Amino acid sequence: EVQLVESGGGLVQPGRSLRLSCRTSGFSFGTYAMAWVRQAPGKGLEWVGFIRLNSYGGTAECAASVKGRFTISRDDSKRIVYLEMNSLKSEDTALYYCVRPQSPNGDHYYFDYWGQGTLVTVSS
Amino acid sequence: EIVLTQSPGTLSLSPGERATVSCRASPSLSNNYLAWYQQKPGQAPRLLISAASIRATGIPDRFSGSGSATDFTLTISRLEPEDFAMYYCQQYGSSPFTFGPGTKVDIK
Repeated sequence: EVQLVESGGGLVQPGRSLRLSCRTSGFSFGTYAMAWVRQAPGKGLEWVGFIRLNSYGGTAECAASVKGRFTISRDDSKRIVYLEMNSLKSEDTALYYCVRPQSPNGDHYYFDYWGQGTLVTVSS
Repeated sequence: EIVLTQSPGTLSLSPGERATVSCRASPSLSNNYLAWYQQKPGQAPRLLISAASIRATGIPDRFSGSGSATDFTLTISRLEPEDFAMYYCQQYGSSPFTFGPGTKVDIK
């Protein structure tokens, strides 16, 4: 059974940093890209970013709204994907989902498994 | 960036009725790279459909997807009580992978 379990959320002041973790099980982690999607309270879904397989360089791409502030990394030995969030703003307040992407080819991702999310609240 | 719009915003129907949710892409979407998700209150989204019309594993056949290029449709042939939820479309033709604003299907 595929499982994605996020952790690391909480209340943080504007301008501070936070690192989210997503522990995975039930699938061959090293053969999948991984991604993050967020949902502000009462709002819709927003793709945050993805990280490629290490065999494809392990590079990441992020949405324009978080580019330069958020970084995605992975540790295949631990089956964990991370979301490092810096210079947090109030508009980053959201439930952050770890998601497993599927792709027909290349960097074209939809998301077939979702964690339950971890809540990040940015407020003074 | 590909922008997705969904209509209607809310759909009020009774169990047993047919639900039709529209998703429009601008500009046009390549290869029909469009997915549909269902989200119930307090739960994570669940994948229903990929590639515009391919049901995900375990999804009942009352859910179907159709369309191409700019116009896509999610149809629920006969609403069951558990189908009342939010529905989102998502394009994966190009990054950033954008979602539609959602359609709420609620009980009339």
